[in-house]
Amino acid sequence: GAVVSQHPSRVICKSGTSVKIECRSLDFQATTMFWYRQFPKQSLMLMATSNEGSKATYEQGVEKDKFLINHASLTLSTLTVTSAHPEDSSFYICSARGEHRDYEQYFGPGTRLTVT
Amino acid sequence: GQNIDQPTEMTATEGAIVQINCTYQTSGFNGLFWYQQHAGEAPTFLSYNVLDGLEEKGRFSSFLSRSKGYSYLLLKELQMKDSASYLCAVTDSNYQLIWGAGTKLIIKP
Repeated sequence: GAVVSQHPSRVICKSGTSVKIECRSLDFQATTMFWYRQFPKQSLMLMATSNEGSKATYEQGVEKDKFLINHASLTLSTLTVTSAHPEDSSFYICSARGEHRDYEQYFGPGTRLTVT
Repeated sequence: GQNIDQPTEMTATEGAIVQINCTYQTSGFNGLFWYQQHAGEAPTFLSYNVLDGLEEKGRFSSFLSRSKGYSYLLLKELQMKDSASYLCAVTDSNYQLIWGAGTKLIIKP
């Protein structure tokens, strides 16, 4: 089956610093990647959708200058949380979808971000 | 607007059967997914329905009625490890995935 990896799995950073999270599709070409955020006991919240080689589409209320997304290749997307604050502490999950749009989204294992 | 409804929480007994319902109102329909999510982990794929009817996969089955905007996930022979949240998601006409809030399933011995 399709495998998506995320790195790091956990990260603790100080307020004001930036953190980069990588999402890789290991055995398929991900034409579209999605970034989600999930707060405790809440459902997934889509932050942005990115297609390889083009700018990401951000959901309403998500600051594109704070959450920088780069989808430079068909196997890698990165999310950079800039000038992180404690309220950015959350579980960040990426997912990837292959060429055909009705394919399921394959989820990465998630990244637990804690901002102190 | 687009809306996915599923119960917030359900409780069932080990060895029993439980049905988790999902109703949806979306702009178009291109398939319905069920995902399982254990606490602190990412969701994992369970099933995909795009045509009406029942799809069976081991202890799990998923049913879809497009005319009613309704689906259910049926879990048989419940095990303690089935305690998790179950997420219903629908792909709309733009192939965007619309997520339900999830149903937390608690299994008691």
